[in-house]
Amino acid sequence: EPEVTQTPSHQVTQMGQEVILRCVPISNHLYFYWYRQILGQKVEFLVSFYNNEISEKSEIFDDQFSVERPDGSNFTLKIRSTKLEDSAMYFCASSEAGAYNQPQHFGDGTRLSIL
Amino acid sequence: AQKITQTQPGMFVQEKEAVTLDCTYDTSDPSYGLFWYKQPSSGEMIFLIYQGSYDQQNATEGRYSLNFQKARKSANLVISASQLGDSAMYFCAMSRSNQAGTALIFGKGTTLSVSS
Repeated sequence: EPEVTQTPSHQVTQMGQEVILRCVPISNHLYFYWYRQILGQKVEFLVSFYNNEISEKSEIFDDQFSVERPDGSNFTLKIRSTKLEDSAMYFCASSEAGAYNQPQHFGDGTRLSIL
Repeated sequence: AQKITQTQPGMFVQEKEAVTLDCTYDTSDPSYGLFWYKQPSSGEMIFLIYQGSYDQQNATEGRYSLNFQKARKSANLVISASQLGDSAMYFCAMSRSNQAGTALIFGKGTTLSVSS
């Protein structure tokens, strides 16, 4: 069964450094998403992306964050200058279409630890 | 504003028994989707089941069923014949219809522990 793949599974970075999280969505999916989950808390939406543009973003997704689809398969989340509070599990997800009735399929996540 | 509420922080069930995980939601949208995801201790998020706001019948996927009561704004997950491998965190989530590429709004989750 096709799946969303994320790399790396765990990233440790010094505060203030830039970090790029990578995702390969399911191949025939058109909508891509990033979510984060701070340890022990609920999953929070960051951004959705379609046709090389951001469709929607949350208040968490400030100027420190950016997303990109650099080629036909990868989808990346960049955090420009990491803060301690960016430590979380980051999930990439994709869906075949963007309608409300489309399930989003999640990757296994990247655990980001900021020191 | 849309909201998902899961009031059970933890649930305990014996193997082979059925268990119901509660989820209530709040939205003013006429069109929305309700989803359940499973998160094992390893951390991944696994899609389990979907119910649309216009669906007349409750969704079922194997041992999972969704008890959808629209008037009460509830979408409870029922797991029949629990297995040890069902021990995990379960999240209820809702999508909205007013925008393509819509965000999922998640509840705080319920930890299910299945014992032998």
